[in-house]
Amino acid sequence: EVKLQQSGDELVRPGASVKMSCKASGYTFTDYAMHWVKQSPGQGLEWIGTIIPLIDTTSYNQKFKGKATLTADKSSNTAYMELSRLTSEDSAVYYCAREVLITTSGFDYWGQGVMVTVSS
Amino acid sequence: EIVLTQSPTTIAASPGEKVTITCRASSSVSYMYWYQQKSGASPKLWIYDTSKLASGVPNRFSGSGSGTSYSLTINTMETEDAATYYCQQWSSTPPTWTFGGGTKLELK
Repeated sequence: EVKLQQSGDELVRPGASVKMSCKASGYTFTDYAMHWVKQSPGQGLEWIGTIIPLIDTTSYNQKFKGKATLTADKSSNTAYMELSRLTSEDSAVYYCAREVLITTSGFDYWGQGVMVTVSS
Repeated sequence: EIVLTQSPTTIAASPGEKVTITCRASSSVSYMYWYQQKSGASPKLWIYDTSKLASGVPNRFSGSGSGTSYSLTINTMETEDAATYYCQQWSSTPPTWTFGGGTKLELK
């Protein structure tokens, strides 16, 4: 069974950073890209960026360059996203989602989401 | 950057009704993807490559379109179809995924 298990919800202070994880199971981690998607309260979906664990390559939505840093650990089948210099605008649910590498086919499995609340 | 505009923003339909949601792209795209999201849940891939149903999606759903205009159609609305639907497209240069603003489908 394919599963993307994300880390727990976070309450963080303005100006701080937060690092969340997405542990993949049930498939070959390096056969897929991992995307990260933001959903602000009551709002739509925003693509943050992608990491291809096989070649350790990232691409980012211009809007999130400098805000998000994507990494992956092939030994533990886990992808990570760190968000820096947090403000209230970063309060949102963050999802990881996978996409098969061999063809563009959409994000077929999603994690359960991490709710990040930025508050003093 | 390609912008996706969905219409309507909200729609209410009765069981048995036909429903069509439209997604217009600011420039031509090759394929469209659709996701269903219910309140408090993660999005689910619903339609990929414009017209292919994801695993487990009922065949009352269909997708079509080309160029700058795409649509998701529900042939006969059922109560379980009430959700928000998002379209999505991919651009290769630079590699970028973009979502539409979403269409909330409510039960009338």
